[in-house]
Amino acid sequence: DIQMTQSPSSLSASVGDRVTITCRASQGISSYLAWYQQKPGKVPKLLISAASTLPSGVPSRFSGSGSGTDFTLTISSLQPEDVATYYCQKYNSAPHTFGQGTKLEIK
Amino acid sequence: EVQLVQSGAEVKKPGESLKISCKGTGYSFTTYWIAWVRQMPGKGLEWMGVIYPGDSDTSYTPSFEGQVTISADKSISTAFLQLSSLKASDTAMYYCARRAGAFDVWGQGTMVTVSS
Repeated sequence: DIQMTQSPSSLSASVGDRVTITCRASQGISSYLAWYQQKPGKVPKLLISAASTLPSGVPSRFSGSGSGTDFTLTISSLQPEDVATYYCQKYNSAPHTFGQGTKLEIK
Repeated sequence: EVQLVQSGAEVKKPGESLKISCKGTGYSFTTYWIAWVRQMPGKGLEWMGVIYPGDSDTSYTPSFEGQVTISADKSISTAFLQLSSLKASDTAMYYCARRAGAFDVWGQGTMVTVSS
């Protein structure tokens, strides 16, 4: 099975900073990569699909890029409400494995 | 509005069984896969398996295969996750999610606590 590895596992940044989280697949998955945001005590929320597509309502400070095996999630200007754990997920074929998560905090 | 509504929190004893439900509303239930995701306390998201309610085709990740059973009753637009021979290590939040490519709609989660 394809493994999904995120880095870093945790991250502390200041409001207004540009933040980047990476996700690597152990084999190519084309652009079948999603990012989810899970705020503390809340249900995961789809943030990006198809590696770079933002669903309606997701702030434009979030962006995604990559294809094949290497992907990135970027927050262009970190806001206090972005404190959350972020997960990548492959969904080209089952199992739809998640990365281990990146916990983002405000410095 | 598209929604997945899960059954309520459960407290079970070791060795007991449990069936969690996930009812889909606001869309054609039989034309989207439903996945189940486990989140143990303080841990990450684990994909357990998926079902296509239209024909009940299922797929499980190896670590959960044989340990859980995913089913669906399309007549009531509901998917189920059955956990058998519960152990303390099954204590977790269990989510269902609709697969529209990525998982675009999630249930509110069902907290399962296994304790003697």
